[in-house]
Amino acid sequence: EADIYQTPRYLVIGTGKKITLECSQTMGHDKMYWYQQDPGMELHLIHYSYGVNSTEKGDLSSESTVSRIRTEHFPLTLESARPSHTSQYLCASSGAYNEQFFGPGTRLTVL
Amino acid sequence: AQSVTQPDIHITVSEGASLELRCNYSYGATPYLFWYVQSPGQGLQLLLKYFSGDTLVQGIKGFEAEFKRSQSSFNLRKPSVHWSDAAEYFCAVGAPWGGSQGNLIFGKGTKLSVKP
Repeated sequence: EADIYQTPRYLVIGTGKKITLECSQTMGHDKMYWYQQDPGMELHLIHYSYGVNSTEKGDLSSESTVSRIRTEHFPLTLESARPSHTSQYLCASSGAYNEQFFGPGTRLTVL
Repeated sequence: AQSVTQPDIHITVSEGASLELRCNYSYGATPYLFWYVQSPGQGLQLLLKYFSGDTLVQGIKGFEAEFKRSQSSFNLRKPSVHWSDAAEYFCAVGAPWGGSQGNLIFGKGTKLSVKP
């Protein structure tokens, strides 16, 4: 079944640690996105990719980085986590009509 | 500038009552239009979408939305709300015909609470 996956679902980590949030999709989509969302708040686009080896920064400045080496995989990395990075991170992908499909999200807490 | 406005931050309705969530947009051309629903701690689920054609579109979970070009609106409706409909609802617009850019513009969301 075509889907989009995010791991881990929950992550509690100490300040200064390096973390990678995983996102994979089996829908064959070229376009993928990362959003940051605080509880009950709006979505902020932080990174997007239109295909392999293509990455762009979104509307909200973020200290995270992304890579797109394979079509199905779009990981997000924080080199040194800080409490200000505590948030929910949502991954999405879209096909030809820009209809975005979202993963379940990763809730990150940095102590 | 392109934007999406959801005027209502929080709406409370009684179970069984009808529901209308408002969405207005500003866009250079008629965009693709979407409504998403998000339960607490979850990702967004697509409720319905409008690309072209019939301006009244049906979605999942008994929701429908009507595109009104003259009002630049895409309001979401449901005739009878169920307690399980309590969630956050997001309206979004995107470039027509897929476009070279796939980014959607999201509204800030409307939180729906349902009274028993």
